[in-house]
Amino acid sequence: AQSVTQLDSHVSVSEGTPVLLRCNYSSSYSPSLFWYVQHPNKGLQLLLKYTSAATLVKGINGFEAEFKKSETSFHLTKPSAHMSDAAEYFCVVSDGLTGGGNKLTFGTGTQLKVEL
Amino acid sequence: DGGITQSPKYLFRKEGQNVTLSCEQNLNHDAMYWYRQDPGQGLRLIYYSQIVNDFQKGDIAEGYSVSREKKESFPLTVTSAQKNPTAFYLCASRPGTGGKGNEKLFFGSGTQLSVL
Repeated sequence: AQSVTQLDSHVSVSEGTPVLLRCNYSSSYSPSLFWYVQHPNKGLQLLLKYTSAATLVKGINGFEAEFKKSETSFHLTKPSAHMSDAAEYFCVVSDGLTGGGNKLTFGTGTQLKVEL
Repeated sequence: DGGITQSPKYLFRKEGQNVTLSCEQNLNHDAMYWYRQDPGQGLRLIYYSQIVNDFQKGDIAEGYSVSREKKESFPLTVTSAQKNPTAFYLCASRPGTGGKGNEKLFFGSGTQLSVL
């Protein structure tokens, strides 16, 4: 069984300040982890993914996330927020098992608001 | 251009009526998925298909049915047995069904279903 918890449903930051979106997961196997972003009126877009290579993963638009097995966390960060970052962000876990459909479990989402 | 097309964008259902949501992809992907998105909840898996003529129930399959007669098409029928069908429905696909390196999902633009 696998699960993912996004600890904050809403995060508000000022433009130019750091962003931290928190995600904790549980998985019976070595998981793959993803962050997706959903902008209003647009489809979901993959930001970055971890698949057992380097624990610090760099994604698009300056975002990165660090896989910490000891803390079962995969928090998303960005050094400096931009207005265009305002969107909803989903943390996703996959157990990566073959034959199981590689079902993905989505977190409940974090709405990021960026203020001037 | 390759991609996933969902139609219609908005759909209304009357009480006791079955409605079918279309999902077509020209990416030559093996696996296709249907997710449902409700406010405050993460995407939940309804049905998925790893290969033509085969599909499996996801976490919330009751009240839904699917077919996979062609590789490029995975229509979802919301039946009258689904008592709370109002939601945003997302179709997704990905190239393969095994291993950790190919779980990136490609998403359609979604269908908003509402009950009259």
